[in-house]
Amino acid sequence: DAGVIQSPRHEVTEMGQEVTLRCKPISGHNSLFWYRQTMMRGLELLIYFNNNVPIDDSGMPEDRFSAKMPNASFSTLKIQPSEPRDSAVYFCASRPTTGVQETQYFGPGTRLLVL
Amino acid sequence: SQKIEQNSEALNIQEGKTATLTCNYTNYSPAYLQWYRQDPGRGPVFLLLIRENEKEKRKERLKVTFDTTLKQSLFHITASQPADSATYLCALEGNYQLIWGAGTKLIIKP
Repeated sequence: DAGVIQSPRHEVTEMGQEVTLRCKPISGHNSLFWYRQTMMRGLELLIYFNNNVPIDDSGMPEDRFSAKMPNASFSTLKIQPSEPRDSAVYFCASRPTTGVQETQYFGPGTRLLVL
Repeated sequence: SQKIEQNSEALNIQEGKTATLTCNYTNYSPAYLQWYRQDPGRGPVFLLLIRENEKEKRKERLKVTFDTTLKQSLFHITASQPADSATYLCALEGNYQLIWGAGTKLIIKP
């Protein structure tokens, strides 16, 4: 298995532009997570999907952030409009089942820089 | 609110010695705790899981303890090697997700 796949790996954009991050979870995994990691705040959960349905998006910072999971093999995280404070590494992770004790498998991350 | 604390300062250890990392938590009683390793430019990778009824868990040179009275987990790497240098994160079970510590950077010096 190729693991969790994220694209792009790096993104540099200007303030106000729309940014779309993509994730392909491990095949057969039922749960998907979007995280943001910064030096100041560490790893923060943005949104959690279970069987393609958003369960909790309370971690999404503002209405500028939105996430979708149209099918079991694809998810997107969109920022519109982007701001410099959105600069961070964004990780997607998937989990085999809904069991909280199950291991999460992380993708390589997308490093976003908003100028 | 639930809070997890890990040493924010980097831990420098001489090669061959045992490295010990600490994870403390408050306002919560998790059923289990996980430890992950993160290398620069990569996502966290799962290492070990320990349940509340387990005092200790081992995997090769790794050992994790879980003291629910002290609300603390210790992560040990014996016979440390430079390749063990990384950031180590602890994560506690929440309602349906993991609650993450900020991580401790471990540096093993040759």
